[in-house]
Amino acid sequence: EAQVTQNPRYLITVTGKKLTVTCSQNMNHEYMSWYRQDPGLGLRQIYYSMNVEVTDKGDVPEGYKVSRKEKRNFPLILESPSPNQTSLYFCASRGETQYFGPGTRLLVL
Amino acid sequence: KQEVTQIPAALSVPEGENLVLNCSFTDSAIYNLQWFRQDPGKGLTSLLLIQSSQREQTSGRLNASLDKSSGRSTLYIAASQPGDSATYLCAVEGYQKVTFGTGTKLQVIP
Repeated sequence: EAQVTQNPRYLITVTGKKLTVTCSQNMNHEYMSWYRQDPGLGLRQIYYSMNVEVTDKGDVPEGYKVSRKEKRNFPLILESPSPNQTSLYFCASRGETQYFGPGTRLLVL
Repeated sequence: KQEVTQIPAALSVPEGENLVLNCSFTDSAIYNLQWFRQDPGKGLTSLLLIQSSQREQTSGRLNASLDKSSGRSTLYIAASQPGDSATYLCAVEGYQKVTFGTGTKLQVIP
């Protein structure tokens, strides 16, 4: 079954404690991206990757890092999380159409 | 910078009605436009994707149209059902980047 998985699904952390949200896809897609979804602001693209070792900034990259060492995985890294990064995060991969992961709900205290 | 607007923000209709959701975008240099459905607390499900060279796509009771020159897309839902209740999002893909609208929250009343 074609799918995008994310872990963890829910996370509560404190300001400044580094965290990583993993994302994996099983469709051999080259393009992957991360979004955050906030009330009234919709989904905004954080980072995207056109292929292994090729990443670029989306519209809201500040405070985030990504890496693409292999095609199937695209982790999102928050080196020093802050409360304004509390949000719902989605990973997506794209072939003919975009497939979204189930989302990670992050609360930064 | 691409901006995507969806009107109305919320819509409530009785079951069985045909309805139209609107999506407008500011930059017509797009590769494709995609409509998604999002149920509360869930991820996004792709409904229809229209390539920039296409005018419309159909899937079951859904029909999406695209007019690049005017920067508009519509999603037509025929014979609406309570199960259609969800938030509908349009996403415009430009050069490598994807921009979403803020969505239309649809409620279909039995």
